[in-house]
Amino acid sequence: QLQLQESGPGLVKPSETLSLTCTVSSGSVSSTSYYWGWVRQPPGKGLEWLGSIYYSGSTYYNPSLKSRVIIFVDTSKNQFSLKLTSVTAADTAVYYCVRCAHPFDHWGQGALVTVSS
Amino acid sequence: EIVMTQSPATLSVSPGERVTLSCRASQSVSSDLAWYQQKPGQAPRLLIYGASTRATGIPARFSGSGSGTEFTLTISSLQSEDFAVYYCQQYNNWLFYTFGQGTKVEIK
Repeated sequence: QLQLQESGPGLVKPSETLSLTCTVSSGSVSSTSYYWGWVRQPPGKGLEWLGSIYYSGSTYYNPSLKSRVIIFVDTSKNQFSLKLTSVTAADTAVYYCVRCAHPFDHWGQGALVTVSS
Repeated sequence: EIVMTQSPATLSVSPGERVTLSCRASQSVSSDLAWYQQKPGQAPRLLIYGASTRATGIPARFSGSGSGTEFTLTISSLQSEDFAVYYCQQYNNWLFYTFGQGTKVEIK
């Protein structure tokens, strides 16, 4: 059964860069059938797609965050990663990595990232 | 951006009741519509895709319908484990996925 696991710091200071990695097991990020992506959920709020990546490195991002989001893939480690720059308190959220099978058929358990000094 | 609007925001129901949740898209998404269930402290779980196809392992009491801009998720007889928040999502514009704001199904 495919599993996704987020990892990274749970606390980030304002104006710094949030970095998370998703490790895929029992599956391959090099699959030609899927994109891989990130979704976030602020406390008590709804879901927001951040962006997605293909194994080749092709990416597409949520236009509202495009200038701050970078997603990249490391096929050798079977991982893909998220960087969100210049964070503020509004970026405090649970961040999920997902498999984009149109729609999102597998989700990680989520990682809470708090932006605070 | 395709805006997804769900109604109602909250639904208070008793176990065993039939429940109908609505989702409207700001423009046609054909049948590229999914429903997710999210329980507190858990990741969302895919229930329905293609507007009406149940995902693997989803009980038959969950059904979806609709196409274009109007969609419905029906739970035929609400079980205790079904109290949760439900989100719709369009993936017709897969360059910009969008979700509805969610409907919370709570115990009456």
